[in-house]
Amino acid sequence: GGIITQTPKFLIGQEGQKLTLKCQQNFNHDTMYWYRQDSGKGLRLIYYSITENDLQKGDLSEGYDASREKKSSFSLTVTSAQKNEMAVFLCASSRDRGYTGQLYFGEGSKLTVL
Amino acid sequence: AQKVTQTQTSISVVEKTTVTMDCVYETRDSSYFLFWYKQTASGEIVFLIRQDSYKKENATVGHYSLNFQKPKSSIGLIITATQIEDSAVYFCAMREGAEGADRLTFGKGTQLIIQP
Repeated sequence: GGIITQTPKFLIGQEGQKLTLKCQQNFNHDTMYWYRQDSGKGLRLIYYSITENDLQKGDLSEGYDASREKKSSFSLTVTSAQKNEMAVFLCASSRDRGYTGQLYFGEGSKLTVL
Repeated sequence: AQKVTQTQTSISVVEKTTVTMDCVYETRDSSYFLFWYKQTASGEIVFLIRQDSYKKENATVGHYSLNFQKPKSSIGLIITATQIEDSAVYFCAMREGAEGADRLTFGKGTQLIIQP
């Protein structure tokens, strides 16, 4: 088994601030993902990475940067937080072959912008 | 572009009965994969079950099964003998193609409430 750890669990920021979320996995999975969950809108893909130092944009990448410096970690930066923004950011990982579509998720990081 | 639609926002059923949650999808790919995930009240999201587009048999895992109707682009989730702990939000998701990363498109979710 393994686990995905996201830090921090709660993040409160000010409008215009740059905010960073971190994710660690010990599954030894190659691919990692960042999803955003808004109430009533399901999960939307922000960035993903298929290997160390690789970055691929998802459907919602504008306003975000990502970094994959190690296989086990994947960071997401909100480049300029928007006032009244509230969402949960979910990190996930997956194996590459034979387990198509089975993502393992972290517990989420809840962002509130004042 | 691929799209996944769950029209049921919330469903409430009595414990030990069977419930079906609907999901329709849009894709131009001939090969795709369909999934259901469960999100509990704590926020934890877990994979439940998967259907490969080329398989005619409906997938079954424990008390979860799928109703795959390819001509209708529909993949319903059936939960039999429901239990209180099945109360959660259920997401339908799709992946196009079999190569590369598991880039999933999710529906908006259906909240399932199991009443005693």
